[in-house]
Amino acid sequence: EVELLESGGGLVQPGGSLRLSCAASGFIFRSYAMSWVRQAPGKGLEWVSSIPDSGDRKYYADSVEARFTISRDNSKNTLYLQMNSLRADDTAVYYCVKGGISTTGLDYWGQGTLVTVSS
Amino acid sequence: QSVLTQPPSVSAAPGQKVTISCSGSSSNIGNNYVSWYQQLPGTAPKLLIYENNKRPSGIPDRFSGSKSGTSATLGITGLQTGDEADYYCGTWDTSLSAGVFGGGTKLTVL
Repeated sequence: EVELLESGGGLVQPGGSLRLSCAASGFIFRSYAMSWVRQAPGKGLEWVSSIPDSGDRKYYADSVEARFTISRDNSKNTLYLQMNSLRADDTAVYYCVKGGISTTGLDYWGQGTLVTVSS
Repeated sequence: QSVLTQPPSVSAAPGQKVTISCSGSSSNIGNNYVSWYQQLPGTAPKLLIYENNKRPSGIPDRFSGSKSGTSATLGITGLQTGDEADYYCGTWDTSLSAGVFGGGTKLTVL
């Protein structure tokens, strides 16, 4: 059974940093692209970032480019999202997702971790 | 404002059929696969359709997807009250080098 368990969310002040982690199990992690998708309170889904199986390329939404960094450790079956220079509009539930949005689709989602940016 | 355009809401009676549209451009829907997601209240989204019209294992054939040009459509037949949810389309945008979602459509089963 595929499981994606996010951690690292919480309350942070504007300008601060957080690192989200996603522990994956139940599938061959190194063989799949992975993504982060977020959802602000009461709003729709927003694609944040994706990384292919090899980790050799990284893709970002304009809204997070140069502030967020996606990475993966295939030896630990873990996906990361380093978030710097956080702003109030980064407040959202962040989902770790298996797959790519236009290949296999985003086929498994974690339960999400809430990031709140507020003073 | 979302790159992909969906109607904010649709409604239909139990047992009926509903379609949800998703409109884009040649840089996204026109040249990439579309996927569809269902988000029940208070839960994480779930993949319904991938590669325009394929259903993952466990998704009933009441759900179908199609694509024509720069638009895609999700169809749901035999509506049930349990289908009340938000539905999102998604794809890759080649010009943006980024994933994009529609704004979401709230389905009400009257």
